[in-house]
Amino acid sequence: EPEVTQTPSHQVTQMGQEVILRCVPISNHLYFYWYRQILGQKVEFLVSFYNNEISEKSEIFDDQFSVERPDGSNFTLKIRSTKLEDSAMYFCASSDADTYSNQPQHFGDGTRLSIL
Amino acid sequence: AQSVTQPDIHITVSEGASLELRCNYSYGATPYLFWYVQSPGQGLQLLLKYFSGDTLVQGIKGFEAEFKRSQSSFNLRKPSVHWSDAAEYFCAVVGEGDKLTFGTGTRLAVRP
Repeated sequence: EPEVTQTPSHQVTQMGQEVILRCVPISNHLYFYWYRQILGQKVEFLVSFYNNEISEKSEIFDDQFSVERPDGSNFTLKIRSTKLEDSAMYFCASSDADTYSNQPQHFGDGTRLSIL
Repeated sequence: AQSVTQPDIHITVSEGASLELRCNYSYGATPYLFWYVQSPGQGLQLLLKYFSGDTLVQGIKGFEAEFKRSQSSFNLRKPSVHWSDAAEYFCAVVGEGDKLTFGTGTRLAVRP
């Protein structure tokens, strides 16, 4: 069964550094999402992306965050200047239609980001 | 805006016993509802979903859930729990916006 893959599985970065989290969505999917889960807390929506632009973003997704689909297969989340509170598990998800079309989102295994 | 409440933070059941995990949602219209499972160190795997139609939905791994509009609930059930079901379970809703809103999760432990 096709999967969403995320790399790296664990990223350790110094505070203030830039970090890029990478995702390869399922190949025929068109809708892409990032979520994060701070340790011990619930999974929170960050951003959705369709047709090469952001569809929706949460208040968490401030100017320090950006997303990009640099080629036909990758979907990246960049954090420009990391803060301690950015430490979390970041999940990528994809879908072949928006959720109102009876299509669920498929999640990757996540990247654990640790800010020192 | 939509929200999800999972009242039970942690549940322990004996292997072979039945299981019910509670989920209540808040949304003005008919929501789209999901249950995901997260094993340690893993991502979120979809167990089942409800969009419309039959209010009792069947999922993978022997799980089912029932949508009850009058109670704003979407409880997850399994008649006989296996040790491999130990994981964290998340209820989620899609209401406004193409995004999932998750509950805080219920961690299931299975006693041998």
